[in-house]
This record gives sequence, structure tokens and C-alpha cells, in this order.
Amino acid sequence: DSGVTQTPKHLITATGQRVTLRCSPRSGDLSVYWYQQSLDQGLQFLIQYYNGEERAKGNILERFSAQQFPDLHSELNLSSLELGDSALYFCASSDPQGFFSGNTIYFGEGSWLTVV
Amino acid sequence: DAKTTQPPSMDCAEGRAANLPCNHSTISGNEYVYWYRQIHSQGPQYIIHGLKNNETNEMASLIITEDRKSSTLILPHATLRDTAVYYCIALISNFGNEKLTFGTGTRLTIIP
Repeated sequence: DSGVTQTPKHLITATGQRVTLRCSPRSGDLSVYWYQQSLDQGLQFLIQYYNGEERAKGNILERFSAQQFPDLHSELNLSSLELGDSALYFCASSDPQGFFSGNTIYFGEGSWLTVV
Repeated sequence: DAKTTQPPSMDCAEGRAANLPCNHSTISGNEYVYWYRQIHSQGPQYIIHGLKNNETNEMASLIITEDRKSSTLILPHATLRDTAVYYCIALISNFGNEKLTFGTGTRLTIIP
């Protein structure tokens, strides 16, 4: 158990709909990352938040957005869903001092999104 | 972050040492080498990291060449549960602002 919690674990929705994926980072971790993993693609970095502020952006579509709340949990919002958005979405978190203590970025178990 | 190159797949007999190579010829002096693995659609799992010295933990050993252009992850006694995709990543530490960029990794299959 990495300590990163993601909900829901599985989600099936129709095209055109909107969903929200939730992530609770490990206690004390300030950074939250979102990754997408499709069947035919590897792990793609989407976006990173650090203590409530956006820090880095990757290949995130305009239909997708994220935020990190004052309690440090994060939500990834996916709207106008298309079949191609079906994927496993991972959240990860890290400790600002982690790299020096040997701890590093920890991943949750992911949220499976199926768009039908 | 420096680009890393790994073989797409490898097999290893159960109980033997699995040696996974990684080339990172453009790595800069302050970039660490990190290894993660992903077991069938689970969340990626941290294995080990190092800067220039060899490292060992309860999961694996990391051997980094003296010129730092390549490294080898060693799983000393591979078990079937070690079947996974292994990712080698070069990364600059930035106080919690690190961003892991995953390549295609090496699919390691442990053969009974």
C-alpha cells in the first residue's frame, strides 16, 4: 500500500459525459501528479500540483482540468468524454524532502475509466 | 531530463539474477538514475535510485558505471512476482517538484 488513495477504482460512462477522479496523497506530501495510461500507450504525464498551485503541465487535453485543494487532495475533471479517453488514470504524490531520504514519488492503484 | 534507452524485453529464469541494462549517455552530473516497475496495470512501484555510487536495498542493486553513461538494475533472485515492466528514468532532484517521464521500459518475464 503506497498510501496514495484514488477513487473510484472503476468507472464506466458514456461519451459526452463528465467525470471527476479523486486522489488523496500520502500524509505530508505536497506534490500531486496525474498520469494517463492507455492500452496502446505508456504512462503519460498530465499535470502536477504543488501545495495547491499548478507546477507542470504535460500532455493534458483542454477538456481535462485538475485542481488541488487546501487539504491537498486533488481532483482530475474529464469532460466531453470520448472513446479514446478510456484509460487507467494514476495519481502520485511526493515528499519535498523525499529524494534526499530515499523516498520518492508514490503512485496510487489507479482509476479505470471506460467510455462507451 | 536525459533520455534513457532500455531493451524492450528480457527473460530470466526463476531463482536467477535478473540484470536489466539502461543507457543514459547524455545524463548530466546532477541527474539521478531511478528505477520503477509496473506489475500488470498496478501503480508504478519505486525500486531504487542512485547518483554515482552503487546502491543496494531490500529489493535490488543498482550498478552505475564510472562515466555514468549506463547502469544495471539487478534483481538478485528473481521470482515470478518480479514479472513486470521496468522503467529507468534520469531525473534531477528538485525538492518535491520532480516529474517522472516514463519511456517504454523493459518487459521482464520470469520463466518458471
